[in-house]
Amino acid sequence: RKEVEQDPGPFNVPEGATVAFNCTYSNSASQSFFWYRQDCRKEPKLLMSVYSSGNEDGRFTAQLNRASQYISLLIRDSKLSDSATYLCVVNTNSGYALNFGKGTSLLVTP
Amino acid sequence: GAGVSQTPSNKVTEKGKYVELRCDPISGHTALYWYRQSLGQGPEFLIYFQGTGAADDSGLPNDRFFAVRPEGSVSTLKIQRTERGDSAVYLCASSRTGAGGELFFGEGSRLTVL
Repeated sequence: RKEVEQDPGPFNVPEGATVAFNCTYSNSASQSFFWYRQDCRKEPKLLMSVYSSGNEDGRFTAQLNRASQYISLLIRDSKLSDSATYLCVVNTNSGYALNFGKGTSLLVTP
Repeated sequence: GAGVSQTPSNKVTEKGKYVELRCDPISGHTALYWYRQSLGQGPEFLIYFQGTGAADDSGLPNDRFFAVRPEGSVSTLKIQRTERGDSAVYLCASSRTGAGGELFFGEGSRLTVL
């Protein structure tokens, strides 16, 4: 079983839609959780950290469910510029490095 | 700005050859990571340095892969006897302290093994 699993999509949504991505992780001892964004043929960049209490950054909301080992990302009022691959990221067994999921592809259409 | 710099950006080589990929991290970042990304996949962890030492090399696929960071700044990933399956984008990232904090990635080195 892979350490971080995501639905690869693609998710095709119209502008203004709300879209949610889910991710599960296998290591119950993981302490650090993130969502990264990767544009086509570019490097990944941090979108937001995920905290136990949940957190919001503008149109983006991240949630963590430790009991189910599940992380989510909600994007409200989708923009064309949100089109990208969203990578779910969890720290490794050693705690140092980060394990990336395969990514979920989002395409926002006019 | 002074981000993570990787060279070469593209490398084409023949099967069996030796390759070196270089990473210059953000100044002052003590943690440095190498990842490998194949088409349609997420970045796959290879190795993590804290300072000069490899704190976690559990992701290196086999002994053909080796990385160094002799002075705690620039790092070189070395691949011996390259195989076609080594073709991927090799991403370097640095972090201020490590311990699962934000990673700042370079643009990657695209390796193609013919």
